[in-house]
Amino acid sequence: EVQLEESGGALVQSGGSLRLSCAASGFTFRNAWMSWVRQAPGKGLEWVGRLKSIGEGGTADHAAPVKGRFTISRDDSKNTLYLQMSSLTTEDTAVYYCTTMYSSAFDSWGQGTLVTVSS
Amino acid sequence: SYVVTQPPSVSVAPGQTARITCGGNNIGSKNIHWYQQKPGQAPVLVMFYDSDRPSGIPERFSGSKSGNTATLTISRVEAGDEADYYCQLWDRSSDHYVFGTGTKVTVL
Repeated sequence: EVQLEESGGALVQSGGSLRLSCAASGFTFRNAWMSWVRQAPGKGLEWVGRLKSIGEGGTADHAAPVKGRFTISRDDSKNTLYLQMSSLTTEDTAVYYCTTMYSSAFDSWGQGTLVTVSS
Repeated sequence: SYVVTQPPSVSVAPGQTARITCGGNNIGSKNIHWYQQKPGQAPVLVMFYDSDRPSGIPERFSGSKSGNTATLTISRVEAGDEADYYCQLWDRSSDHYVFGTGTKVTVL
């Protein structure tokens, strides 16, 4: 059974930084493409970024609102996905979900971790 | 950036059929995926590649596409189907992923 457990969410001041983690189990993590998706309070889903498996290049791509401020990375030895966030603004306040990817779909989701950015 | 539109809400009586639409430019050429999100829970994939159901998803859920509109159909609606539903696609030109605006399904 695929399990994804996010952690690291917190209350942070505007301009600050935070790193989220996603511990994965139940599948071959090193072969998986992974993504982060976020959801602001009362709003819809927003894709944040994707990281390919190392075997397929290991490249990351990020959505325009976070490009240059957020970085997705992975440690396959620890079966863990990360999201390094910097220059945070109140617009980044959201629940952040870690997901596995099946082709272009997000097929398994964690329960999410809440990031609150105060002004 | 690519925009995907959904009706904000759909209301349906128990036992009836709910249809949730998803529209966008040239959507007919894109693979559409659908997610169900109940209050306080993470989204769940309920349909992928337009009309394929993941294991564990009831046959009451079906997907289709015609022209520039994709549709998620829920037959014999139950109270437990009340949730927000999102469509999603991959935009090849940007290599980015886009979610629809979401539809709240209310079971009367």
